[in-house]
Amino acid sequence: DQQVKQNSPSLSVQEGRISILNCDYTNSMFDYFLWYKKYPAEGPTFLISISSIKDKNEDGRFTVFLNKSAKHLSLHIVPSQPGDSAVYFCAASVAEKLVFGKGTKLTVNP
Amino acid sequence: DARVTQTPRHKVTEMGQEVTMRCQPILGHNTVFWYRQTMMQGLELLAYFRNRAPLDDSGMPKDRFSAEMPDATLATLKIQPSEPRDSAVYFCASGLSLYEQYFGPGTRLTVT
Repeated sequence: DQQVKQNSPSLSVQEGRISILNCDYTNSMFDYFLWYKKYPAEGPTFLISISSIKDKNEDGRFTVFLNKSAKHLSLHIVPSQPGDSAVYFCAASVAEKLVFGKGTKLTVNP
Repeated sequence: DARVTQTPRHKVTEMGQEVTMRCQPILGHNTVFWYRQTMMQGLELLAYFRNRAPLDDSGMPKDRFSAEMPDATLATLKIQPSEPRDSAVYFCASGLSLYEQYFGPGTRLTVT
């Protein structure tokens, strides 16, 4: 039973447009959420995070939104760049563990 | 530029053989995690250590997997005997907390 779900395996956008990656979760005990980015043949790298007491966190082109009532998390990338093409993992923390989604492969076309 | 290193990067072995994967965490990091990535399950936590002590290994199949930290510069993950279903990419990550994890490049394991 997946507690963190990324229902879109892939997403394709044009350079300069907005990319929106979505994540749903089922465990209301999750207290912190993170996004990781992964290039082929490399390990995931931390991108941005948000505490459960907030609803938005912004870092440059990246913004994470949290809707606790809907148990939904989204990552917005504006504007998207070809270098953003990667697999994005959503993760949530509970009881000293991170639970990851399966990832969404983002392709940004020039 | 401090990085987590993992060896080997690729391993192909036959079913029943022992496999040992090694990880060198970033110097000064006191928490080490082992993850497994498969297409079906995504990234799963297998085990983690803090100050070299195992805190949780509930994600590991106990009968065949074992994880240790012989010293602060080395973490190992062993599979004995290996099975085809163990084929996956195994990641080690280190950090100072759960929320600050730096991942290594992974070991791609293929068990035939």
